Amino acid sequence: EVQLVESGGGLVQAGGSLRLSCAASGFTFSSHWMHWVRQGPGKGLVWVSHINSDGSSTSYADSVKGRFTISRDNAKNTLYLQMNSLRAEDTALYFCARDPPGSGIDQWGQGTLVTVSS
Amino acid sequence: DVVMTQSPLSLPVTLGQPASISCRSSQSLVSSDGDTYLNWFQQRPGQSPRRLIYKVSNRESGVPDRFSGSGSGTDFTLKISRVEAEDVGVYYCMQGSLWPPWTFGQGTKVEIK
Repeated sequence: EVQLVESGGGLVQAGGSLRLSCAASGFTFSSHWMHWVRQGPGKGLVWVSHINSDGSSTSYADSVKGRFTISRDNAKNTLYLQMNSLRAEDTALYFCARDPPGSGIDQWGQGTLVTVSS
Repeated sequence: DVVMTQSPLSLPVTLGQPASISCRSSQSLVSSDGDTYLNWFQQRPGQSPRRLIYKVSNRESGVPDRFSGSGSGTDFTLKISRVEAEDVGVYYCMQGSLWPPWTFGQGTKVEIK
């Protein structure tokens, strides 16, 4: 069974930092692209960042470029999101999501909540 | 960036009746490999999104056959042939053909009348 378990969320002051993790199991992690997607309170889904299977290529939404860094450790089957210079508008539930070859995003974790206080 | 526009944003439906959600993209979603990466997700209250349909019309394993996807180019549709109580939630289309960024529609809230 595919499992994606996010952790690392919490309450942080504006300007602070957090590191999110996503532990993957039940599939060959190193063969899949991975994404972070966020959902603000009562809002829709917004793509944040992507990383390819070996970590050599990444991309970011304009709203987080230069502040967030996505990475992965294929030996540990874990995806990360380092979030710096956090703003109130970064407050959201952050999901990690799997992207298998040839079909697009399919499986999602349960999310981890990030709250940025101003 | 590709803009995804869903309609309607709110859809009250009578149990047992059909429902239809439209998703339009600002550019053709035919990718360089010839596939169209248009997916549909269901998000029930308090839950993570669940993929229902991938590449326009392919139903995910375990998804009831009352759900179907269709369309091409810039116009896509998700249909529920007979709405059941468990179908209440928000439905999102998402494109993965022209990236970055990957983009979602605003979401359509399906509720029972």
